[in-house]
Amino acid sequence: GAGVSQSPRYKVAKRGQDVALRCDPISGHVSLFWYQQALGQGPEFLTYFQNEAQLDKSGLPSDRFFAERPEGSVSTLKIQRTQQEDSAVYLCASSLLWRGSSGANVLTFGAGSRLTVL
Amino acid sequence: AQKITQTQPGMFVQEKEAVTLDCTYDTSDPSYGLFWYKQPSSGEMIFLIYQGSYDQQNATEGRYSLNFQKARKSANLVISASQLGDSAMYFCAMREGLPGNNRKLIWGLGTSLAVNP
Repeated sequence: GAGVSQSPRYKVAKRGQDVALRCDPISGHVSLFWYQQALGQGPEFLTYFQNEAQLDKSGLPSDRFFAERPEGSVSTLKIQRTQQEDSAVYLCASSLLWRGSSGANVLTFGAGSRLTVL
Repeated sequence: AQKITQTQPGMFVQEKEAVTLDCTYDTSDPSYGLFWYKQPSSGEMIFLIYQGSYDQQNATEGRYSLNFQKARKSANLVISASQLGDSAMYFCAMREGLPGNNRKLIWGLGTSLAVNP
């Protein structure tokens, strides 16, 4: 697609429910990041994929959070037994593989999935 | 301690005037990169401009320029000739270390810019 697509745009969950958030990156983008943005805050890193390999999951706040990218394209962020503190916008971003030819590896972001846990 | 500090929660500017959004950063790594992103109400982060720590000149991209003062650890964004469509949240972000595919960004809290007609 032309941009990074995320779905659903809005999700309301009752506390304790499981949710799944989908990210469809730009075709050919090898790198994929998930960020969490709480209200009034900047994004916080959750996890990073290079193709299907999850190379960094140091930002996942608990073992209730799980992300996968089985075929190296679409990624899913799953949150089990949601809590109120999980309420946030979840941003997905992708980029081409950086090959050292320039200083920046610019991320293209989706519009985010806004999760509200009641 | 905050690694990225944006001290202006909100800013107003008159259409067609210039505005400066402040960003200071804190890192002990000699290699780093600084980014500015715009987040309109629709939610997506839009890349504006990038400055590498070893870049000799200040970055410019159209109406956007970055006032990079390395000794003061500041990387202020200057928007010239403001337009109504510039109204949005603006985030400063930093990559610590050399560029790489797995480099996460550290973000500030953002500045809300409102452009008045």
